[in-house]
Amino acid sequence: KQEVTQIPAALSVPEGENLVLNCSFTDSAIYNLQWFRQDPGKGLTSLLLIQSSQREQTSGRLNASLDKSSGRSTLYIAASQPGDSATYLCAVSGGSYIPTFGRGTSLIVHP
Amino acid sequence: DAGVIQSPRHEVTEMGQEVTLRCKPISGHDYLFWYRQTMMRGLELLIYFNNNVPIDDSGMPEDRFSAKMPNASFSTLKIQPSEPRDSAVYFCASTGTSGVYNEQFFGPGTRLTVL
Repeated sequence: KQEVTQIPAALSVPEGENLVLNCSFTDSAIYNLQWFRQDPGKGLTSLLLIQSSQREQTSGRLNASLDKSSGRSTLYIAASQPGDSATYLCAVSGGSYIPTFGRGTSLIVHP
Repeated sequence: DAGVIQSPRHEVTEMGQEVTLRCKPISGHDYLFWYRQTMMRGLELLIYFNNNVPIDDSGMPEDRFSAKMPNASFSTLKIQPSEPRDSAVYFCASTGTSGVYNEQFFGPGTRLTVL
């Protein structure tokens, strides 16, 4: 059974810092990995999706990398802003398209 | 496309009442998922459908929970009778597997409070 772990569970940083959020998974036979953002009281918004054949994806200040062999993904946030404050979740899908979610990293960026 | 649509957005009911949550997936998507999110347990997959057919309902907590998908554009999650421990945010999500990426899209959720 796939298990997904996200470290750290919570993070508080000053504005402007570059951040790395970690996601690890136990079964490397994945189809894709998706990073989501969830604002308080809101739904999940897809940020980046990495196919198993890819090593990274970029969108603006966000960069997600994938190392299947080691069962790890990182989400890099450059020049963090208070608006980046949210919970970030990663989800790993196998060939059945059914994702397994981590518990998320709660990020606070203070001015 | 308007994205995944859920209704109602908020529901407050009393213990023992029937609750019906509704979801309209993104047009053309062939997978539909129902999740429940709580602080204690995080995001839990309750049930999912493929082409309107329930595939795995092992996440449904009890027989009080049931889900249907009568057509490709509509699904319901019903709780009867409801209990206070059912209070949570319920999300519907859909995925289209005909494309390359099979990205999952979530609705805004229904916040259920059972008194």
